[in-house]
Amino acid sequence: DAKTTQPPSMDCAEGRAANLPCNHSTISGNEYVYWYRQIHSQGPQYIIHGLKNNETNEMASLIITEDRKSSTLILPHATLRDTAVYYCIVRGRTSGTYKYIFGTGTRLKVLA
Amino acid sequence: DTEVTQTPKHLVMGMTNKKSLKCEQHMGHRAMYWYKQKAKKPPELMFVYSYEKLSINESVPSRFSPECPNSSLLNLHLHALQPEDSALYLCASSQEGASGELFFGEGSRLTVL
Repeated sequence: DAKTTQPPSMDCAEGRAANLPCNHSTISGNEYVYWYRQIHSQGPQYIIHGLKNNETNEMASLIITEDRKSSTLILPHATLRDTAVYYCIVRGRTSGTYKYIFGTGTRLKVLA
Repeated sequence: DTEVTQTPKHLVMGMTNKKSLKCEQHMGHRAMYWYKQKAKKPPELMFVYSYEKLSINESVPSRFSPECPNSSLLNLHLHALQPEDSALYLCASSQEGASGELFFGEGSRLTVL
């Protein structure tokens, strides 16, 4: 299973962009990168995913390096409600079934 | 309906009890997952069912017994648990496909006395 490495914590000022890095140097060519966040022991919430190209949706942008060994999740204008633990996941496959293995996560604190 | 519903939300049980956690989804997803999450740790994959068959068991102790009665339901039967099994148990589902998103329930918080 491809592993992901994330910094344990980050702070960001409200209204500024939050850039959360993830290292996944053992990723295989057909494995997607997913980002989820979890607010205070609720169920994890999907944010975005991608394979090779950069992706953007209403919540965030995902930048994947050309060699696919790392990625960055960007929250363009962080609000206090974005305070959460953010998980980077590489989706692997075993016995024909997809596996979503969570990394250790980054605890993002948005400061007023 | 994009919900995964888990019951009960909270469960307290003794080490000799038998109890079950339930999970339900009506999104037509054919893959369903159980995760275990201890405090301040990431969710850990336990089991995956694909098309109602157990596909992945991440070396989980036999005191946890999963069951998938049909494509919408997933159970986790609990027997002879230990206090260290106290955790948040998360259910998730996804459409098997090239870029399927994983949908999570809110979890069942289990306390073993």
